[in-house]
Amino acid sequence: RKEVEQDPGPFNVPEGATVAFNCTYSNSASQSFFWYRQDCRKEPKLLMSVYSSGNEDGRFTAQLNRASQYISLLIRDSKLSDSATYLCAVSPLSGNTGKLIFGQGTTLQVKP
Amino acid sequence: GAGVSQSPRYKVAKRGQDVALRCDPISGHVSLFWYQQALGQGPEFLTYFQNEAQLDKSGLPSDRFFAERPEGSVSTLKIQRTQQEDSAVYLCASSPQGPTSNTGELFFGEGSRLTVL
Repeated sequence: RKEVEQDPGPFNVPEGATVAFNCTYSNSASQSFFWYRQDCRKEPKLLMSVYSSGNEDGRFTAQLNRASQYISLLIRDSKLSDSATYLCAVSPLSGNTGKLIFGQGTTLQVKP
Repeated sequence: GAGVSQSPRYKVAKRGQDVALRCDPISGHVSLFWYQQALGQGPEFLTYFQNEAQLDKSGLPSDRFFAERPEGSVSTLKIQRTQQEDSAVYLCASSPQGPTSNTGELFFGEGSRLTVL
């Protein structure tokens, strides 16, 4: 079993839809959680950190469920420009080097 | 430029050749990471440097892979006797943080796409 798992999709949704992705992690000692966005043939870029209390940034909401060991990303009012691969990332230990373990990524296609 | 710079962007090698991939991190960044990303997969951790010290090389898939960062800035990932399964994008990332703080933001370069024939 991989340390970080995601449904690869693709998720095909119309503009304006709400879409949610989950990501599960196996190491219960994991401390930090993140969502990265990767456009086709481009490098990953940090989208948002995921805090225990949940956090929101515009149309994007991230949540953490430690008991069930998953994180989620909710995108409201999808735009064509949201089409990308969304990678969840987990930092396995506190005070760590900053090493991140990535999931496979979930591909989102927003259609007109 | 201000970002992480990697070269070459594309490399085609014949099986058995040695290759060297270069990463120029953001100036002043303490931490440097190498990841391998196969098609359709997420980045897989290879190795980590804090300044010139290689503190974690647990992700290097075999002893054909070697990385160095001799002066704590530019890093080189070397792959000896390349095999077809080495074909992937090799991503370099840097971060200003050391081991006592971790905001999780890694700044990635555009990667070096290696194809082994």
